[in-house]
Amino acid sequence: ETGVTQTPRHLVMGMTNKKSLKCEQHLGHNAMYWYKQSAKKPLELMFVYSLEERVENNSVPSRFSPECPNSSHLFLHLHTLQPEDSALYLCASSQDSGSTEAFFGQGTRLTVV
Amino acid sequence: DAKTTQPTSMDCAEGRAANLPCNHSTISGNEYVYWYRQIHSQGPQYIIHGLKNNETNEMASLIITEDRKSSTLILPHATLRDTAVYYCIVRNTGTASKLTFGTGTRLQVTL
Repeated sequence: ETGVTQTPRHLVMGMTNKKSLKCEQHLGHNAMYWYKQSAKKPLELMFVYSLEERVENNSVPSRFSPECPNSSHLFLHLHTLQPEDSALYLCASSQDSGSTEAFFGQGTRLTVV
Repeated sequence: DAKTTQPTSMDCAEGRAANLPCNHSTISGNEYVYWYRQIHSQGPQYIIHGLKNNETNEMASLIITEDRKSSTLILPHATLRDTAVYYCIVRNTGTASKLTFGTGTRLQVTL
């Protein structure tokens, strides 16, 4: 238990569906992150939020839309995804964006059909 | 960020020390060496980090060579639960949390 909880753990969605991934941290951290891990590829940083403001967007397609309503919650809204977007989506948090340690959730295994 | 090179895979017998090497020959003076691991189907887990001196915590020891061009993560008594992919990451501490993961070393601990 890392203090970072992601829901759902597994999600299957069609290409025309709209769904959201949720991340919640109970650590009092001020920075939160979305990472993507595709099969046989390294983890890729997608978005960085610091104090609820997006500070980094690593050229992620607009079909992925993050939302950070407060410092404890982070969402990733998904719409019109492609099968190649199937991956493990990981949320992480840290005390702040300059911290030395990040805490990761268990991830959401997303399958786009 | 400095590039790191790790072996693709390693085996270790349970109860023995696991020594995981990492080369980072282009590391600069303000860059730290971080180690994370990822057990199958879970998120990565922080293990340890260091700058120049050797470091030890309850999970592992980190040995950094004097020229800082390579390091070794040591799990002193590996167990089956240490089977995972181990990532060596070099980053300056100011942006340490925006981690750039490579392909890591897959450590298989066997009976």
